[in-house]
Amino acid sequence: GNSVTQMEGPVTLSEEAFLTINCTYTATGYPSLFWYVQYPGEGLQLLLKATKADDKGSNKGFEATYRKETTSFHLEKGSVQVSDSAVYFCALNEAGYSTLTFGKGTMLLVSP
Amino acid sequence: GAGVSQSPSNKVTEKGKDVELRCDPISGHTALYWYRQSLGQGLEFLIYFQGNSAPDKSGLPSDRFSAERTGGSVSTLTIQRTQQEDSAVYLCASSLSSGVSYEQYFGPGTRLTVT
Repeated sequence: GNSVTQMEGPVTLSEEAFLTINCTYTATGYPSLFWYVQYPGEGLQLLLKATKADDKGSNKGFEATYRKETTSFHLEKGSVQVSDSAVYFCALNEAGYSTLTFGKGTMLLVSP
Repeated sequence: GAGVSQSPSNKVTEKGKDVELRCDPISGHTALYWYRQSLGQGLEFLIYFQGNSAPDKSGLPSDRFSAERTGGSVSTLTIQRTQQEDSAVYLCASSLSSGVSYEQYFGPGTRLTVT
């Protein structure tokens, strides 16, 4: 079956540091890949997505590239802010299926 | 416009009682999803509806869990004879239609605590 593995958190960074959150996946077909973010006290929001190999999703300074050869979709940001503190979820949606398979989430804590 | 809403926001119940959780999707969204977020397990899919029918119930953890959707809108997730392991945040999402092209919009969740 499908699965998503994320690095465990919390990830603790100082403001303006570089961020990488690793995500790898297992799927039988050709999935679409997503990063969702959950800010404290709020619901999940779609951050970015990529639907085919070598696609790069980007939003709010965050980027992730769909790497089929390494089955990865790592999230990066060049300079994090305190307001980026949240839980980040990597997810996949396999073609022909409507449901999302999520990783366990990675908490990011950014200090001033 | 209004987003996905869920009620109640918090529910504390005694072991063995039944609970009902409600989800109001975004108006016009035909697909509706239920997920469960629990410590150590992350987000797990439970069931999804396209219109009033549920093509995929594969995530329901036991026959104590059931869900229905009426009028292609509101959905109710029912947990019978609750157990402590049912304690979690139950999330609802909706999308314009089912399929990978349609973004799922999530509600704030219902936090269920079984004592």
